[in-house]
Amino acid sequence: QKEVEQNSGPLSVPEGAIASLNCTYSDRVSQSFFWYRQYSGKSPELIMSIYSNGDKEDGRFTAQLNKASQYVSLLIRDSQPSDSATYLCAVGGGNMLTFGGGTRLMVKP
Amino acid sequence: SAVISQKPSRDICQRGTSLTIQCQVDSQVTMMFWYRQQPGQSLTLIATANQGSEATYESGFVIDKFPISRPNLTFSTLTVSNMSPEDSSIYLCSVVSSGRKDEQFFGPGTRLTVL
Repeated sequence: QKEVEQNSGPLSVPEGAIASLNCTYSDRVSQSFFWYRQYSGKSPELIMSIYSNGDKEDGRFTAQLNKASQYVSLLIRDSQPSDSATYLCAVGGGNMLTFGGGTRLMVKP
Repeated sequence: SAVISQKPSRDICQRGTSLTIQCQVDSQVTMMFWYRQQPGQSLTLIATANQGSEATYESGFVIDKFPISRPNLTFSTLTVSNMSPEDSSIYLCSVVSSGRKDEQFFGPGTRLTVL
């Protein structure tokens, strides 16, 4: 049984701070890793994908992958109130994704 | 990325009836999936929609309850059969495009309420 674990939150950060979201997974052979953002009442939106160990930066977002420790994280720099949403971690292999339960992020003005 | 539409966007149905949800993509995609998201929960994969053949269902989901069709590379339907209030959920289709390794993009979803 593949498992993806996230702290459900809410994670509350002040505007302008760095938000750090974490995810662990159980299947060592997982090959692809994703972060989705989901606003209330909307469908998930892909914001980051990462496939190899290390950091990947895209604007204010940085994804970090450590396959040896089986964790993946998402850093959001200069957090804005518009970043308030649920962030879903997804782990893939063979075209299939397993989703974590999501972390609710609240950015306070 | 591909533009994905779903119909209907929402519906309220009576117990015992069936609803067919459509998923249309504006370009050919390699993979199509159907998910369920119950209130306050994460995403649960129902099945992989296979073009021209029977869908591949995940544990806990059966064809009689959730028949799926995918007649071509841009269109799929999911039917929720003999509905009960426990089927109230958001149903989402997702797609993987050629060359986009495992990256799934989601449609806007169908919000179903069963009375």
